[in-house]
Amino acid sequence: AQKITQTQPGMFVQEKEAVTLDCTYDTSDQSYGLFWYKQPSSGEMIFLIYQGSYDEQNATEGRYSLNFQKARKSANLVISASQLGDSAMYFCAMRGRNGDSNYQLIWGAGTKLIIKP
Amino acid sequence: NAGVTQTPKFQVLKTGQSMTLQCAQDMNHEYMSWYRQDPGMGLRLIHYSVGAGITDQGEVPNGYNVSRSTTEDFPLRLLSAAPSQTSVYFCASSYTDRVGETQYFGPGTRLLVL
Repeated sequence: AQKITQTQPGMFVQEKEAVTLDCTYDTSDQSYGLFWYKQPSSGEMIFLIYQGSYDEQNATEGRYSLNFQKARKSANLVISASQLGDSAMYFCAMRGRNGDSNYQLIWGAGTKLIIKP
Repeated sequence: NAGVTQTPKFQVLKTGQSMTLQCAQDMNHEYMSWYRQDPGMGLRLIHYSVGAGITDQGEVPNGYNVSRSTTEDFPLRLLSAAPSQTSVYFCASSYTDRVGETQYFGPGTRLLVL
């Protein structure tokens, strides 16, 4: 069965420090995609970054980078130079097959990140 | 573009009532889906559609119906509301359901069933 695990329910980080949010996944698919979304207290889901299973380079988007270790089945999100506005829930998700030809997003339980001034 | 819109933002229902959560997108996306988000859990897929006239069940479909008569609209119907359906509901869309497609989310509907 496909599964996403986020082992950190909550994290406190000092402003301007780098943050690593953990995500491990389980799939037997050869082709899959890994996503990170941010959910601020206002509730909307904001796409941050994507990594494909065949991508050889780690994805980067501004202050966000994805530390993709395929053999270990991990896809950790790294936020450099954290800011107060980074305080939010962060979700890791994987697009994998649901048993037929369609690819569905499977979600982790999320990590609540709080940035301290 | 308005992106993905959802109405209403908030709703309170009594047990047994029915209602429809509206979702619309103006990006000409073929793939649309409905999720529910409960505290301490990730999003769970309720129903999805890969195009007009085509819908299928996700992980937690019981108690919900959907239809897709147009590319733009994907309403979610609660047939007979139960307290267990108290949740935040998100509609999402993407061009396709291929592996690398990013899903874009609506702002969510907070539903309380008494």
